[in-house]
Amino acid sequence: DIQMTQSPSTLSASVGDRVTITCRASQSISSWLAWYQQKSGKAPKLLIYKASSLESGVPLRFSGSGSGTEFTLTISSLQPDDFAVYYCQQYNSYIRTFGQGTKVEIK
Amino acid sequence: EVQLVESGGGLVQPGGSLRLSCAASGFTFSAYWMHWVRQAPGKGLNWVSRINSGGSEAIYADSVKGRFTISRDNAKNTLYLQMNSLRAEDTAVYYCVRDQGSGLSLNYWGQGTLVIVSS
Repeated sequence: DIQMTQSPSTLSASVGDRVTITCRASQSISSWLAWYQQKSGKAPKLLIYKASSLESGVPLRFSGSGSGTEFTLTISSLQPDDFAVYYCQQYNSYIRTFGQGTKVEIK
Repeated sequence: EVQLVESGGGLVQPGGSLRLSCAASGFTFSAYWMHWVRQAPGKGLNWVSRINSGGSEAIYADSVKGRFTISRDNAKNTLYLQMNSLRAEDTAVYYCVRDQGSGLSLNYWGQGTLVIVSS
């Protein structure tokens, strides 16, 4: 199975900060990567698909980049609503796998 | 509006069985692949299984292969997960999730149903 590794596991940041989360795949997944946001007690929400495509309704401050084995999720200016856990997920193979998650907390 | 409503969760003893259901509405259910994703308490997301639009192909995570069966009834717009030989490590919130199409990202999630495996 393809392993997905996110870094950091926890990120402390302030409102207005630029935030970057990295996701690495154990083998090439082309651009078949998605990013999800999960708030406490809620279902995950799709933010980015195909590595860099913004899901409808997602604020423009979210962006994704990368291909092959290395990907990033960037929040250009962190807002109070963005404090949450973020997961990457590959869908290159039949067996889908998620990263372990990155918690973005208030500094 | 797309809606996915899971049901069937609860407390079950180790070795027992449970069937989860997911009622779908607001879209053409028969046109989309569907998935189950679970999340153990305080832990991350784990993909469990998916089924293609016609119900002819199912894929499973190694951790549930041979114990869980995903199925769908397109006439009833309902997705199922039959869980047998349940273990403590199967304790989790189980989410019903719609694929963006056929083998793409996961763009609609249900609210989840909690399964607790304990004696």
